[in-house]
Amino acid sequence: QIALKESGPTLVKPTQTLTLTCTFSGFSLSTSGVGVAWIRQPPGKALEWLAYIYWDDDKTYSPSLKSRLTITKDTSKNQVVLTMTNMDPVDTATYYCAHRNSGWGYMDVWGKGTTVTVSS
Amino acid sequence: QSVLTQPPSVSGAPGQRVTISCTGSSSNIGSGYDVHWYQQLPGTAPKVLIYGNSNRPSGVPDRFSGSKSGTSASLAITGLQAEDEADYYCHSYDNSLSGVVFGGGTRLTVL
Repeated sequence: QIALKESGPTLVKPTQTLTLTCTFSGFSLSTSGVGVAWIRQPPGKALEWLAYIYWDDDKTYSPSLKSRLTITKDTSKNQVVLTMTNMDPVDTATYYCAHRNSGWGYMDVWGKGTTVTVSS
Repeated sequence: QSVLTQPPSVSGAPGQRVTISCTGSSSNIGSGYDVHWYQQLPGTAPKVLIYGNSNRPSGVPDRFSGSKSGTSASLAITGLQAEDEADYYCHSYDNSLSGVVFGGGTRLTVL
């Protein structure tokens, strides 16, 4: 059974770097076709895709945030880490990680999300 | 401004049928990319309702159905129930952005 859990700081200051960790179980990121996504949702707003990382270490980023994002994986720890630099209050959101269904490309299992507030 | 356009809200009485549209363009839905739909109940993470335009994961009632035509897709919910009150999002891929795109979300109210 696949499960994912996000962790990280709940409060960051403007200009700081945010580091979020997605710890997962039930699958391996070394298996062909597997991918993990990060998605965020500001309060009362829509979902926004941030980044993908795949089993072969291929990475894709949202074009609007690409310069600020880095996604990495630690296969031995079953973790995916997302860093976002130069945080701003508009980055206040719930951040989700999700397992990407390798056949159809949709997010079939989501974590519960972690809420990050950017404030001085 | 989302790449995929959804109506902000729809409503219907219990037992009725509602549809939620997801309008894209030639660089996403119109290029043949699949559309997926998620339901987000208040305070919870999204859950997939429809994948690959019209497929239901096991456990999703057959009251939910999806379709796609041209540059648009639709989610239909029949036999509305109070528990269907939630936000619904469509998801596809955009080749001009080289990435995932979501719709702006639609809030369903069961009257």
